Order: sequence, then structure tokens, then C-alpha cells
Amino acid sequence: TQLLEQSPQFLSIQEGENLTVYCNSSSVFSSLQWYRQEPGEGPVLLVTVVTGGEVKKLKRLTFQFGDARKDSSLHITAAQPGDTGLYLCAGARGTSYGKLTFGQGTILTVHP
Amino acid sequence: GAVVSQHPSRVICKSGTSVKIECRSLDFQATTMFWYRQFPKQSLMLMATSNEGSKATYEQGVEKDKFLINHASLTLSTLTVTSAHPEDSSFYICSAPLAGFEQYFGPGTRLTVT
Repeated sequence: TQLLEQSPQFLSIQEGENLTVYCNSSSVFSSLQWYRQEPGEGPVLLVTVVTGGEVKKLKRLTFQFGDARKDSSLHITAAQPGDTGLYLCAGARGTSYGKLTFGQGTILTVHP
Repeated sequence: GAVVSQHPSRVICKSGTSVKIECRSLDFQATTMFWYRQFPKQSLMLMATSNEGSKATYEQGVEKDKFLINHASLTLSTLTVTSAHPEDSSFYICSAPLAGFEQYFGPGTRLTVT
């Protein structure tokens, strides 16, 4: 069973600070997705990265896929209270795109 | 807007009874859907793959006779929890692929077994 180690598990910061969440594995993934989940709701897709070394930007969020496709990071610039939530990384192997292995999640709290 | 819906959003049932959860793809067809389970303060764990026109495939450790999956049409998959026990209480979430790699998740169903 491949594992995705996500860190940190908890992150509490002040508004305006920057942060980075990491997702690491010893396995190679064909794609990696980042989700955000609110309490009592399903995960909402933020981004999908497919190519090793790929970098995608979504406003203040920057996602990177490692060159070897074993790791990924999510960087948030100038965090806002609205960024508060659970962030999940999830990887797929081979062509089984829907069979996702999820990281443990990072609970982010941004204080005003 | 939402691309995958689930019904019901919450359900409470008594121990020993069965409960059915529906997952629908909205405005697109999904020959494959996926069922996940999430316990409080934990991440999502894949339970099974629902295949339209054929049997579901289950992940290791998931009882296929307890969690019955039926992919009735190209837009509907159902998960039936049979003979429910309190330990089956969890948040059940389905997903479907809309375009290639991207999986879209339903809003989830909170099951409480009393």
C-alpha cells in the first residue's frame, strides 16, 4: 500500500503570513491532486498536477509536483481567514485515476 | 456548481437495518465511480470501485457482502450498508471522473447507526 505523508497536520498562523504544506511518498504517482474540504462536506478539487516538475498557480496558491513525481507542495501566500480549512493531497498510480490515496490532511487555521 | 450529488446527506438508522446511499453524476456519464469512507478527524479511505455493467471491485479489508454496490446506470451508483452496526457510522463520499485525471467528489452522506 503506497502512503502519502502529509505535513504538517496542523498549522495555525496569522493573517498575511505565508505557509507551505508538503506531501511526500516513496512511490511514483501518475497524477496528484489537492483538495480542500469543509466540515461536513465533500472535498473540492483545487488542482491536478501531472508532469514532473510542474508548477501551477491559482491566485495566491502555488502547487508544485516533484521532478520524480513522488512529492508535491502547496504554498499559500499572504494567507487570509477564508483560507481556513482542511487541505488534502491525493495521488493516483498508473491509469487508475480514480483510485486515490489520500494524505492525512492539514488543518489550516488563519487568525485575523 | 456541483457535478456529483449524493442522497441522503444525513441518515440515522438502527443497528441491524440496511441503508442505501445514492451517488449521481450531474450532466455527465460516469462508467466508473468510487466510494470512500472518512472517520472523524481522519482522511478519506477508498472502499470500492463501482463499475457500470459489471461487479464492483473492493479494496482489501472491505466486506463486499456488507457494502453492496450497484451501478444502475451511467449516472447512478448506490452503496447499501447492510446489517449496519454502530462502527459503520461514518462519512461516506463518492467520486466520479469528469475529465481524465480529475475526480469530483459528492457532498458526502453522514451515516449514524444507533
